[in-house]
Amino acid sequence: DTGVSQDPRHKITKRGQNVTFRCDPISEHNRLYWYRQTLGQGPEFLTYFQNEAQLEKSRLLSDRFSAERPKGSFSTLEIQRTEQGDSAMYLCASSIWTGGDQPQHFGDGTRLSIL
Amino acid sequence: SQQGEEDPQALSIQEGENATMNCSYKTSINNLQWYRQNSGRGLVHLILIRSNEREKHSGRLRVTLDTSKKSSSLLITASRAADTASYFCAMPNTGNQFYFGTGTSLTVIP
Repeated sequence: DTGVSQDPRHKITKRGQNVTFRCDPISEHNRLYWYRQTLGQGPEFLTYFQNEAQLEKSRLLSDRFSAERPKGSFSTLEIQRTEQGDSAMYLCASSIWTGGDQPQHFGDGTRLSIL
Repeated sequence: SQQGEEDPQALSIQEGENATMNCSYKTSINNLQWYRQNSGRGLVHLILIRSNEREKHSGRLRVTLDTSKKSSSLLITASRAADTASYFCAMPNTGNQFYFGTGTSLTVIP
């Protein structure tokens, strides 16, 4: 399978705990994006990387959120001190950057539920 | 900020009928993309139309773009039960962020 993979698929945790999600993009893709999607809404942009550099972060990304992409390969998204409002689907996507007209390839997401 | 808005929010049709959904946006774009999302899954890219194109076809899909009205439409012809999904328009902004619309939930009844 050469698609984008995300792990875990589901995460249930208590409020206040830290969680970390992993995304493995398509190997030759230099761009990696993180999105958050709540029920009935479209994905909301959180942040993206070009290779290992984090180029842009949304205002949605509070100080409790941090993302990394060491060596420009897989990426992790960590949420510290989780809150009820963090419950959502977290989607990762990757693409080959050639000027903004390339499609994004999505993983199936990690569904986070905060108890 | 740039964000697409799809219309209608929900659409229910019989198998074999055509489905049309629309996307309106606010600021100028270089391209507009349509994606499909099946329940509980990630998004799948369907088609991309550039700002200098007016119409594009891919199989049973037809996309139009009217930059003067800042709108796009997606037509699915001869719908099938497997087309049941949510459909989103998406567009990159100048900062290379992608903004997705609110989505149209399509139900195709066998």
